[in-house]
Amino acid sequence: TQLLEQSPQFLSIQEGENLTVYCNSSSVFSSLQWYRQEPGEGPVLLVTVVTGGEVKKLKRLTFQFGDARKDSSLHITAAQTGDTGLYLCAGLANAGGTSYGKLTFGQGTILTVHP
Amino acid sequence: EAQVTQNPRYLITVTGKKLTVTCSQNMNHEYMSWYRQDPGLGLRQIYYSMNVEVTDKGDVPEGYKVSRKEKRNFPLILESPSPNQTSLYFCASRISSYNEQFFGPGTRLTVL
Repeated sequence: TQLLEQSPQFLSIQEGENLTVYCNSSSVFSSLQWYRQEPGEGPVLLVTVVTGGEVKKLKRLTFQFGDARKDSSLHITAAQTGDTGLYLCAGLANAGGTSYGKLTFGQGTILTVHP
Repeated sequence: EAQVTQNPRYLITVTGKKLTVTCSQNMNHEYMSWYRQDPGLGLRQIYYSMNVEVTDKGDVPEGYKVSRKEKRNFPLILESPSPNQTSLYFCASRISSYNEQFFGPGTRLTVL
């Protein structure tokens, strides 16, 4: 079973601060996705990174996939109260065997941005 | 509107009483999955399906059954629910392995 360790589990910061969330694994993933979830709703995809070393930016959010495709990070610059929510990383298993198509999720990071 | 729907949204039941949570998607997606979400554990996959009549176990399949008789529907069946199945359940679909996964709104299940 592939595991994704996500840290920190909780993050409480002031508006304007920067933060980074990490996802680490001993397994290689073919791609990695980041989701955001609001209370009472299902997760919504933010980004997918596919290539080792890839960096993607979404406004103030920067996503990076590790060179070995075993880890990823999400960096938020100048956090705003609207960034508050649960952030989840999810790794897609490599093709082959019955694990193909399976997404493994990290435990999630609950981010609270205070005004 | 493209969406994944789940019913019911909330359910309180008692131990041993069979129940079914329905899931339907209108996007003609091949892949569908069921997850449960518990505090501190993230989303754990229960079962997934790569096409009609093709299903496979996820990480926590014990106590659950699924079926995929038609492309749009993927019901989750709890034959004999137990209190440790109290959780928030999500159905999800995607067009292929590498594409965005769309989640339903969730079903909060309480088993007394």
